[in-house]
Amino acid sequence: DSGVTQTPKHLITATGQRVTLRCSPRSGDLSVYWYQQSLDQGLQFLIQYYNGEERAKGNILERFSAQQFPDLHSELNLSSLELGDSALYFCASSKSGGGNNEQFFGPGTRLTVL
Amino acid sequence: GQNIDQPTEMTATEGAIVQINCTYQTSGFNGLFWYQQHAGEAPTFLSYNVLDGLEEKGRFSSFLSRSKGYSYLLLKELQMKDSASYLCAVKDSNYQLIWGAGTKLIIKP
Repeated sequence: DSGVTQTPKHLITATGQRVTLRCSPRSGDLSVYWYQQSLDQGLQFLIQYYNGEERAKGNILERFSAQQFPDLHSELNLSSLELGDSALYFCASSKSGGGNNEQFFGPGTRLTVL
Repeated sequence: GQNIDQPTEMTATEGAIVQINCTYQTSGFNGLFWYQQHAGEAPTFLSYNVLDGLEEKGRFSSFLSRSKGYSYLLLKELQMKDSASYLCAVKDSNYQLIWGAGTKLIIKP
C-alpha cells in the first residue's frame, strides 16, 4: 500500500459525459501528479500540482482540468468524454518535485467510456 | 526533444538473469528511476541512480553511465512473479520526470 488513495476504483460512463476523479496524496507529500495509461500503452503525464499550484503540464487535453485543494487532495475533471478517453488514470505523490523524491502511485481509476 | 528508449519486450527463463537497457536524451539530468508495473496495477519504485555506477538491492541492481546516457536494470534469479513491465524514467533539468514506454518482461518456466 503506497499511502496514495484514489476514488472511485472503476467508473463506467457514456460519451459526452463529465466525470471527476479524486486523489489523496501520502501524508506529508506536497506534489501530486496525474497520469493516463491506455491499454498496453506507456504512462502519459498529464499535470503536476505542488502545494496547490500548477507546477507542470504534459499532454493534457483542453477537455481535462485538475486542481489541488488546500488539504492537498486533488481532483481530475474529464469532460465531453470520448471513447478514446477509456484508460487507467493514476495519481502519484511525492514530497516535493526535486532530486531523489520518488513518486508513489495510487491504485488507479479505471475509466470506461461507452 | 527528450527521449527515452527501452526494448518493447523481453523473454527470459525462470532462475536466469536478465538485463533491461535504457538509453536517454534529456535536457539536463537529475536522476534516473526504475519502476515495476504488473498488468493493471500501479507502478512501484525499484531504484534510483544519480551517480555513475551500480546500485544493488537484493536480486535487483541498477547501473548508470551519465556520459553515455545509459542505464540498465539487472534482475537475477528470476521468478515468475517478476513478469511485469519495467519503466525507466529520467528527471530533467526542471525536475520533470520523463518516462520511457516500458519493457514488458515475460518469464517462462
